[in-house]
Amino acid sequence: NAGVTQTPKFQVLKTGQSMTLQCAQDMNHNSMYWYRQDPGMGLRLIYYSASEGTTDKGEVPNGYNVSRLNKREFSLRLESAAPSQTSVYFCASGKEGYNEQFFGPGTRLTVL
Amino acid sequence: AQSVTQLDSHVSVSEGTPVLLRCNYSSSYSPSLFWYVQHPNKGLQLLLKYTSAATLVKGINGFEAEFKKSETSFHLTKPSAHMSDAAEYFCVVTLSSGGSYIPTFGRGTSLIVHP
Repeated sequence: NAGVTQTPKFQVLKTGQSMTLQCAQDMNHNSMYWYRQDPGMGLRLIYYSASEGTTDKGEVPNGYNVSRLNKREFSLRLESAAPSQTSVYFCASGKEGYNEQFFGPGTRLTVL
Repeated sequence: AQSVTQLDSHVSVSEGTPVLLRCNYSSSYSPSLFWYVQHPNKGLQLLLKYTSAATLVKGINGFEAEFKKSETSFHLTKPSAHMSDAAEYFCVVTLSSGGSYIPTFGRGTSLIVHP
């Protein structure tokens, strides 16, 4: 099992460019999550998907969109990147309920 | 509403001495609580979790945590630190909201281990 995979690992964008971060899991989990990690801020939830076909906003959704393509895949899109979106992005998945999450290796994004 | 406070942004210990990483939570209901570890430039890994069973929870690598409802705390401890324990540690509370389960992360505690 690969667990949770994310692509790309690194990306540099210019202000105003768009891109999509990809995430896939092979553990048959219903729930998937996107977080951003900034120094001293912990992980903040951007969007989550409790099941295939549903998505909901988290703590910091502005400037992002998501798509739950199928049960395995959950993508995060930046339509017009801003320097404030420079961060490390983590995707996670988990079973429904009070269960732990499994994290991908992260994508380090820099917006110039 | 739920929140998590990690009381120390940095904790420094010598190898072989005890580790204490403090976490307090605020939740209207009985929460589920987790500790995750993140080594440099890596993703997060589960250390242990509390989900209303035994209040003393044992995790991987010799770590354990005690759930104290009266103190709303879930502190992480280890009797003897190892150099490989140097990492960032996150306390997480998960609450049910409208059928979804939303995790809230603390800001993290950086554990520094001196030889």
